[in-house]
Amino acid sequence: SAVISQKPSRDICQRGTSLTIQCQVDSQVTMMFWYRQQPGQSLTLIATANQGSEATYESGFVIDKFPISRPNLTFSTLTVSNMSPEDSSIYLCSVGSGVANEQFFGPGTRLTVL
Amino acid sequence: DQQVKQNSPSLSVQEGRISILNCDYTNSMFDYFLWYKKYPAEGPTFLISISSIKDKNEDGRFTVFLNKSAKHLSLHIVPSQPGDSAVYFCAASGRDDKIIFGKGTRLHILP
Repeated sequence: SAVISQKPSRDICQRGTSLTIQCQVDSQVTMMFWYRQQPGQSLTLIATANQGSEATYESGFVIDKFPISRPNLTFSTLTVSNMSPEDSSIYLCSVGSGVANEQFFGPGTRLTVL
Repeated sequence: DQQVKQNSPSLSVQEGRISILNCDYTNSMFDYFLWYKKYPAEGPTFLISISSIKDKNEDGRFTVFLNKSAKHLSLHIVPSQPGDSAVYFCAASGRDDKIIFGKGTRLHILP
């Protein structure tokens, strides 16, 4: 299994500002995934981050709002730009295990936008 | 439209009894079905999975049953223990390795 850490664990931000969330994995992985869990909702995939190429975004998510960096095989960042209260969510990163499509998740970043 | 549905937001079960969590899906192309468990302030942790070519997978106290004709799967926990109290997410994935999650069922194990 992979050990994944995220920073910050939580934050309270003002409308219109941006927050960058970091995800660190203890082993090299090809793909990293970023999810959002809005209150009372399921986990929704935002994008897949591949090292050395542009992230692939899911329908409803765009690079200008959620820019992603993937500088190496153990690290990725997700930025939530120009935040509004609707962006208040838990943001999670995950990596694949290579077995049965299982993924390992980080502890999440709880974001509150005022 | 939700492809993975968990219609019960919460479930309460007596300690020692069987917990049954249900999940329905709409896409017959899914290859794998997974269950994740989530405690507060933690990320989801993988619990058990089943391939679409099987109808049952068992791991200790946890068994997942798949009924492809009904597009339904269930997770059985027996016997239920206090540490099983958590939110359980049903999920499904296809050939693109993306996972689609349900909204979760909060399981309360009563003493």
